[in-house]
Amino acid sequence: DTAVSQTPKYLVTQMGNDKSIKCEQNLGHDTMYWYKQDSKKFLKIMFSYNNKELIINETVPNRFSPKSPDKAHLNLHINSLELGDSAVYFCASSLRAGDYGYTFGSGTRLTVV
Amino acid sequence: SQQGEEDPQALSIQEGENATMNCSYKTSINNLQWYRQNSGRGLVHLILIRSNEREKHSGRLRVTLDTSKKSSSLLITASRAADTASYFCATETYGNNRLAFGKGNQVVVIP
Repeated sequence: DTAVSQTPKYLVTQMGNDKSIKCEQNLGHDTMYWYKQDSKKFLKIMFSYNNKELIINETVPNRFSPKSPDKAHLNLHINSLELGDSAVYFCASSLRAGDYGYTFGSGTRLTVV
Repeated sequence: SQQGEEDPQALSIQEGENATMNCSYKTSINNLQWYRQNSGRGLVHLILIRSNEREKHSGRLRVTLDTSKKSSSLLITASRAADTASYFCATETYGNNRLAFGKGNQVVVIP
């Protein structure tokens, strides 16, 4: 059973389109995250939710909007996609916010053409 | 925000040798964590070491933490081809509730 699952694994889309990435965890964790990994493998946090409540909102364009319908799900919607949005997006979860290891999903490789 | 920073190097070793990589950071931390990422995959949590701990072991992995020097090292003993991956350190500061990742170290173990 996959602990943190993301869909889709690959996403190729044209500039200006709107797309969503879905994430689900079956670990019973309270906290979920979105990270972006660029072409140089640098990972940067985008958002974090704790029990459906937004607790971290980094300097991310307004075109990115997370949604957490329940504590097991954290989706990421991106409007008006730009070339610079091309990256690998990782969802992760931890038991609670602070002082716990993260479990990562396998990533969604987004390519904007 | 504060970040862990590995020594930016690619390490190529023979199977059976030990691999060591280092990480430095800039501010006080609550804990430091090491992750492994295989090519095209997600990150896998290896070890978490808290600021009041100096050394931790997990199987063939040994992590040290020196808070006075703001640095950590990850040692992989008796390396295997399957250890080929990128290794990241990440730090968490008190009340920050997020991991700040370093740049990653590419390790290649030659069979």
